[in-house]
Amino acid sequence: SAVISQKPSRDICQRGTSLTIQCQVDSQVTMMFWYRQQPGQSLTLIATANQGSEATYESGFVIDKFPISRPNLTFSTLTVSNMSPEDSSIYLCSVESRDYEQFFGPGTRLTVL
Amino acid sequence: EDQVTQSPEALRLQEGESSSLNCSYTVSGLRGLFWYRQDPGKGPEFLFTLYSAGEEKEKERLKATLTKKESFLHITAPKPEDSATYLCAVVGSNTGKLIFGQGTTLQVKP
Repeated sequence: SAVISQKPSRDICQRGTSLTIQCQVDSQVTMMFWYRQQPGQSLTLIATANQGSEATYESGFVIDKFPISRPNLTFSTLTVSNMSPEDSSIYLCSVESRDYEQFFGPGTRLTVL
Repeated sequence: EDQVTQSPEALRLQEGESSSLNCSYTVSGLRGLFWYRQDPGKGPEFLFTLYSAGEEKEKERLKATLTKKESFLHITAPKPEDSATYLCAVVGSNTGKLIFGQGTTLQVKP
């Protein structure tokens, strides 16, 4: 399975600011995914990021709030813009290996004050 | 709409006390059912993939089984280090995306 790292591992931010989360994979992958896990909740897909094309967002998530970049086959970023306390969550990136299997990074724990 | 329901929400076991976690699902055209383990503050760790009814997978004290409506994660003689949240997810042919259940939080006491 792929080795996935995320930066930062955690951050505390002020309301109205933005944070960019980085996701690095040790091998080339076609599809990368970004999820949100709110406190005490399960995982919700934010968007799918394919290299060379615009990210595809799920219902309830918009590009202006969560812009995503995918400059190559091993890297992606998710920005959480104009943050509010409701954005406090764990943000996770994942990659698809084979037959729909996904492997997850360690997550970024975001607290918005 | 694809849906996953896990039960119980929380389970407390004594070390060595075997039990099972349930994952009931509704999906159009199951492409795969996945079990993950998640420790507090960490990303989900992949455990098993099941693709068709009757399939079984084992890893150490864990065994996953699949029917047409549900999956079970059997834990045999658990140890305290098995304490974690266990997540079930499915992929259906309609969306091709992972749909997660709410998870079962397992606590194993020594």
